[in-house]
Amino acid sequence: DAEITQSPRHKITETGRQVTLACHQTWNHNNMFWYRQDLGHGLRLIHYSYGVQDTNKGEVSDGYSVSRSNTEDLPLTLESAASSQTSVYFCASSQDRLEAFFGQGTRLTVV
Amino acid sequence: AQSVTQPDIHITVSEGASLELRCNYSYGATPYLFWYVQSPGQGLQLLLKYFSGDTLVQGIKGFEAEFKRSQSSFNLRKPSVHWSDAAEYFCAVVRETGNQFYFGTGTSLTVIP
Repeated sequence: DAEITQSPRHKITETGRQVTLACHQTWNHNNMFWYRQDLGHGLRLIHYSYGVQDTNKGEVSDGYSVSRSNTEDLPLTLESAASSQTSVYFCASSQDRLEAFFGQGTRLTVV
Repeated sequence: AQSVTQPDIHITVSEGASLELRCNYSYGATPYLFWYVQSPGQGLQLLLKYFSGDTLVQGIKGFEAEFKRSQSSFNLRKPSVHWSDAAEYFCAVVRETGNQFYFGTGTSLTVIP
């Protein structure tokens, strides 16, 4: 069965370190998204991609970057982790606007 | 700017009672509309979606939602709630232009026996 997987599921890192969260989908979807989930804010869009070599900023992109070198993967990089980036991160993929499929999430703690 | 509004942060209902969760969006045109559910520690699962046509849509787990263009609303309903329905519920919108999914802040549902 097709799926979308995130790794790691949990990570603790120190302030100032670079961190990369992985997202891999086997749906063969063109669109991929990264969200962060915080209490009181719901899910906020960080970055998204409509295809290989395409990346776009979302609502809360400062301090984050993504790259899309193939259809399956959209890694999210925190250039210099800050305590404000402690959150739960979700990756999703979709084909057009039909439905977004979500990974299980990565809980990131910045200390 | 928030394009999807879920006015109820938290709702408590008794098991067997009916449920309605509210969702409003701020676009004049007809976007694609979705409801997702999230159980604790899990990802999001699609309950139902509306693209066009019949304004009352049926989803999984006995949920339904009604699109009302005049009110820019897409409220989720269930006639009889089960204890297993306790979860976080998110309304989402995809605009006519673009493929980004925008989410509301969510409504947390507690079910009491």
